[in-house]
Amino acid sequence: NAGVTQTPKFRVLKTGQSMTLLCAQDMNHEYMYWYRQDPGMGLRLIHYSVGEGTTAKGEVPDGYNVSRLKKQNFLLGLESAAPSQTSVYFCASSHRGIPYNEQFFGPGTRLTVL
Amino acid sequence: RKEVEQDPGPFNVPEGATVAFNCTYSNSASQSFFWYRQDCRKEPKLLMSVYSSGNEDGRFTAQLNRASQYISLLIRDSKLSDSATYLCVVNLSGNQFYFGTGTSLTVIP
Repeated sequence: NAGVTQTPKFRVLKTGQSMTLLCAQDMNHEYMYWYRQDPGMGLRLIHYSVGEGTTAKGEVPDGYNVSRLKKQNFLLGLESAAPSQTSVYFCASSHRGIPYNEQFFGPGTRLTVL
Repeated sequence: RKEVEQDPGPFNVPEGATVAFNCTYSNSASQSFFWYRQDCRKEPKLLMSVYSSGNEDGRFTAQLNRASQYISLLIRDSKLSDSATYLCVVNLSGNQFYFGTGTSLTVIP
C-alpha cells in the first residue's frame, strides 16, 4: 500500500515551458487535491476533485489545469510556466463524507521555474 | 484577512517542557479543525483532529473555542522528536481546507 505518490519529485523548467505533475493514490479515495506551499504562505489549494471526471477550482487556480480521468490519478498541468510558479506542490486525497476526514499527502514535487 | 493565522515562532524549548500553540480562524461557519505536523522538507501528516469538547492523545491536547474562534495545541513533556512545524487547518465546508503558515518548534536537549 503506497498511499499517495507523486511524480516527479524534482523538476526545473524554463519560463514558458509546460509540464504535468502526476498524483496517484491506492486508497480508493474519492476526493483528491492539489496544493502549493510557499514560504510564509502556508498550503494553498489550487484545484480539487470530488470524483472521477470532476474537477473544481480552489484558491489559486490561475495558470494550472487538472484532470481526473481515473479515480486513482489526479494530474496537474502547467500550461506556460512562470517564475511565480516556483513552489513545492503537494497532492492529497481523502475519503468522502466523513466528518474530520484526514487528508493524506504525497511527498511533494519541488518545481523551479527559471 | 487570512482565513487561518498562527504565530510562526520559532519556539525553542528544552526537553520535558510544556509548550502551547494557538491558531485563530476568521470564518465562524468553519466546521472542522485539525492539527497537522510537517517535518522539514516532508509532507504534512495528521497529528490530531480537534473536537468541540477538546481531545487528548497521549502528550498532546487540542482545544477548540468557537466563541473566540481559536484552536490550541498543548504538548506536554516535549521530546526531541517533537521538533517540527505544526500546521493549523480549518475546514470551512466540503472541500475548502485552509492551512495556517505553521508554527516552528525546536526541542533542545
